[in-house]
Amino acid sequence: GQSLEQPSEVTAVEGAIVQINCTYQTSGFYGLSWYQQHDGGAPTFLSYNALDGLEETGRFSSFLSRSDSYGYLLLQELQMKDSASYFCAVIYNFNKFYFGSGTKLNVKP
Amino acid sequence: GAVVSQHPSRVICKSGTSVKIECRSLDFQATTMFWYRQFPKKSLMLMATSNEGSKATYEQGVEKDKFLINHASLTLSTLTVTSAHPEDSSFYICSARDRAGAYEQYFGPGTRLTVT
Repeated sequence: GQSLEQPSEVTAVEGAIVQINCTYQTSGFYGLSWYQQHDGGAPTFLSYNALDGLEETGRFSSFLSRSDSYGYLLLQELQMKDSASYFCAVIYNFNKFYFGSGTKLNVKP
Repeated sequence: GAVVSQHPSRVICKSGTSVKIECRSLDFQATTMFWYRQFPKKSLMLMATSNEGSKATYEQGVEKDKFLINHASLTLSTLTVTSAHPEDSSFYICSARDRAGAYEQYFGPGTRLTVT
């Protein structure tokens, strides 16, 4: 089966940098993606990594190490609007998605 | 672009009745649509994957006779919760991909189902 581990909650202050880690176990690994979900809203896609290394998209970056079955989402210059839940998700067997339990990020002034 | 809508956004029904939830891709053709269930403060649990014109593939533990999925066209998939019970109350979210193998899913806004 699949398993994903990520912290349940993280708190940081505005302007800071925060890293949300994700470790996974799966067969047929294809890639790791990250989604943001505000309370009561739909998840929105943030990033995707299929190969080792860092992908940068504005204030958000995502990293993957396939050999370590590990990835992280890095959020820089935190803003209050970044308060949300962040899910890592593995894509496996080409067409399957499995989501982690989510990390609730609290950004404080 | 890549907008997915769901209808209704909220529904309350009595125990024993059936409820249909629609998921539409508004500006693209969805080769694959996914149905998820999300409990409060919990992750998204994949229920089933549907491809246009073929039977849905259900995840282990999901009753296919209870959660009927129809993917009638490249822009519409429906989930019908049959003989609903209070334990079926949940947030149901659909998502869609615009091509096979795409890593990005476009999520609908979700449907809050309450069974009384």
